[in-house]
Amino acid sequence: SQTIHQWPATLVQPVGSPLSLECTVEGTSNPNLYWYRQAAGRGLQLLFYSVGIGQISSEVPQNLSASRPQDRQFILSSKKLLLSDSGFYLCAWSNLAGDSPLHFGNGTRLTVT
Amino acid sequence: GESVGLHLPTLSVQEGDNSIINCAYSNSASDYFIWYKQESGKGPQFIIDIRSNMDKRQGQRVTVLLNKTVKHLSLQIAATQPGDSAVYFCAENIEGGSNFGNEKLTFGTGTRLTIIP
Repeated sequence: SQTIHQWPATLVQPVGSPLSLECTVEGTSNPNLYWYRQAAGRGLQLLFYSVGIGQISSEVPQNLSASRPQDRQFILSSKKLLLSDSGFYLCAWSNLAGDSPLHFGNGTRLTVT
Repeated sequence: GESVGLHLPTLSVQEGDNSIINCAYSNSASDYFIWYKQESGKGPQFIIDIRSNMDKRQGQRVTVLLNKTVKHLSLQIAATQPGDSAVYFCAENIEGGSNFGNEKLTFGTGTRLTIIP
């Protein structure tokens, strides 16, 4: 069966420091991969998605970037964190078709101080 | 009890009763719908999905109903248990609306279900 791993679970970083969140998927090949941010009391905001190695699409302009160095690895990064980058970050995967559900990791709670 | 997800963000239900959580979706072209359950501090967990060629689908203790005429989706949970306490939200997608799959998936903000012992 497929599993998705996301780490760390919580992270506290000072403003201006770099960020690297990692996500890996097991049990499937060539998945679509996604990074979402979830603000308290608000819906999920899509940040990036990837349909293959090295292929990244960004949905919103921001202080973050994403990379997919391997088929089942997705990384969310920042060179210099802002206070506004605080939030709950979720990685997800799906099959290619638009009629298959997203499957989420357990998220990373990022607090920028 | 029942709720409209966006207008009544909380729903309290007696343990053992049935719960009904509603969702009004926005795009008449949407043809694929998903319900998620999110417990505190965790990622959303897939519960059940339904395609627009169906109006009802059942899973284990859950039923999703789709009314395309009024663009309404509901999740029914039978014999609610304490472990059902969570935020539930729906998502809609247009199966043929993208080149890649789920990047156009639109999520609601959710309804918090609280179980009264």
